[in-house]
Amino acid sequence: EVQLVESGGGLVKPGGSLRVSCAASGFTFSNYTMNWVRQAPGKGLEWVSCISSSSSYIYYADSVKGRFTISRDNAKNSLYLQMNSLRAEDTAVYYCARDGSGWELRYWGQGTLVTVSS
Amino acid sequence: SYVLTQPPSVSVAPGQTARITCGGSNIGRKSVHWYQQKPGQAPVLVVYDDSDRPSGIPERFSGSNSGNTATLTISRVEAGDEADYYCQVWDSSSDHVVFGGGTKLTVL
Repeated sequence: EVQLVESGGGLVKPGGSLRVSCAASGFTFSNYTMNWVRQAPGKGLEWVSCISSSSSYIYYADSVKGRFTISRDNAKNSLYLQMNSLRAEDTAVYYCARDGSGWELRYWGQGTLVTVSS
Repeated sequence: SYVLTQPPSVSVAPGQTARITCGGSNIGRKSVHWYQQKPGQAPVLVVYDDSDRPSGIPERFSGSNSGNTATLTISRVEAGDEADYYCQVWDSSSDHVVFGGGTKLTVL
């Protein structure tokens, strides 16, 4: 059974940093592109970033480019999102998601809440 | 950047058919994916590649895509189908995953 478990969310002040993680199990992690998607309270889904299976390509949404860094450790079956220079508008539930045969996000974690507030 | 447009809300009586649209420029040339999200839960993929269903998704969920509009169709709607639905594509010109704004399906 595919499982994705996010962790590391919490309360951080504007301008601060936070790293969220996603632990994967139930599949060969090193074979799949992984994504981060966020959802602000009461709002829709917003794609944040993706990283290919071997980290050879990485893409970011314009709203986070230059502030967030996605990475993965295939030996540890883990995905990470380093978030710097955080703003109030980054407050959201952050989901990790695994792709399928194409660009569909076939499996999702339950999310971790990041709150940016003074 | 590529934009996907969904109606904010759709209402349907139980047993009827719900159609949720997703508009985008020449979206018929892209593969469209649909997600269902219930309150407090993570999204669930219900249709991928325009019209395929993941295992475990009822046949009542189907999709189509042509021209500038993709459509998610839910037949014989049940109370449990009440949720937010999102369409999604990969935009190769910007190397971005793009989501529509979401549609709230209300079962009357």
